[in-house]
Amino acid sequence: GDSVTQMEGPVTLSEEAFLTINCTYTATGYPSLFWYVQYPGEGLQLLLKATKADDKGSNKGFEATYRKETTSFHLEKGSVQVSDSAVYFCALIKGSGGYNKLIFGAGTRLAVHP
Amino acid sequence: ETGVTQSPTHLIKTRGQQVTLRCSSQSGHNTVSWYQQALGQGPQFIFQYYREEENGRGNFPPRFSGLQFPNYSSELNVNALELDDSALYLCASSLRSSYNSPLHFGNGTRLTVT
Repeated sequence: GDSVTQMEGPVTLSEEAFLTINCTYTATGYPSLFWYVQYPGEGLQLLLKATKADDKGSNKGFEATYRKETTSFHLEKGSVQVSDSAVYFCALIKGSGGYNKLIFGAGTRLAVHP
Repeated sequence: ETGVTQSPTHLIKTRGQQVTLRCSSQSGHNTVSWYQQALGQGPQFIFQYYREEENGRGNFPPRFSGLQFPNYSSELNVNALELDDSALYLCASSLRSSYNSPLHFGNGTRLTVT
């Protein structure tokens, strides 16, 4: 079945370091891909998305490129801040029989220290 | 624009009891989905409602049921609670008109079953 695999955390970085969180997926067809972020005690917020191959999603300095050939959607940021500390979820959307659902990876916790 | 709101924020129940969780959709959204997020894991799709009917369901037993009301608010009911039902329950609203439409999540209800 369809699935999303993320690199295990926690990822611990110093402020202004470069961030990469790896995400690969298995799916039939060409799903849309998403990154969601979850801050402590909160729900999920959409960070960015890409709907077709070679699309680049970007927001708040984060970016990810939909790579069909490697079935990947890695999240990157050039210079992280303490406020970026959160759990990041990679997800794909699967439509079937008139409804759609998000399939999430297990999440990667990011901790940024001053 | 009002976001997705969920109530209560926290709840403690005893095994065997029943629980009702509530969700108000984002203004203008006609579809609501519920997800279960166990500790340290990604959210898992429970079901989706559109026009007051369940139109998609994940791998959850029938003791998980829901309702969607004419104003698009929603309830999640869980009967015969088990210890493994302890989780963060997330409600998400979206527009059904586009299967790529991002889901907007509430902050969730943290359910603890003792």
